[in-house]
Amino acid sequence: RKEVEQDPGPFNVPEGATVAFNCTYSNSASQSFFWYRQDCRKEPKLLMSVYSSGNEDGRFTAQLNRASQYISLLIRDSKLSDSATYLCVAPNQGGKLIFGQGTELSVKP
Amino acid sequence: DAMVIQNPRYQVTQFGKPVTLSCSQTLNHNVMYWYQQKSSQAPKLLFHYYDKDFNNEADTPDNFQSRRPNTSFCFLDIRSPGLGDAAMYLCATSRATGKEPYEQYFGPGTRLTVT
Repeated sequence: RKEVEQDPGPFNVPEGATVAFNCTYSNSASQSFFWYRQDCRKEPKLLMSVYSSGNEDGRFTAQLNRASQYISLLIRDSKLSDSATYLCVAPNQGGKLIFGQGTELSVKP
Repeated sequence: DAMVIQNPRYQVTQFGKPVTLSCSQTLNHNVMYWYQQKSSQAPKLLFHYYDKDFNNEADTPDNFQSRRPNTSFCFLDIRSPGLGDAAMYLCATSRATGKEPYEQYFGPGTRLTVT
């Protein structure tokens, strides 16, 4: 099992839609998780940190399910500018942050 | 204001010709990381510095070296670049890691082309 695994993409959604990505992690002791956004040929930018059951920032909500070892990212009212690759990050047993391969989102007019 | 700066943004080098990429930070973070990212892949950690302590990943080729002369600066040296080393190189920083790691902040990256 991969240490961090994400939904395969790409996700193609219309503007205004709600879309959710899932990410599973293997280290059951993990306490902190991160979602990054990466635009094409740019660096990853921190979108959200998740330290407890979840986090919400405007249209973005992250939820953590420890029993099933997954975190999700929900985007409401999608904008064209939300088109990007979303990277899920979780620590492994050694404390090193492991990046998922990313989920590509394309929001269409 | 830029917090993690990488230079150059684009680098073209010849096969086998040594190249150095630089990273600087204004965050005063203890930890600095170097990642390699190829198209449609996750960033791959090469090594990191915790203050002056160097931590190499087991699968990082010897061709890749790093130096951290002070808190603010970190360098990535590729001694003999091969065609397979063409990639985006990302520098990142974070606060000191404790029981749980802190979020990392990335520089804009250096895109390396090997001819």
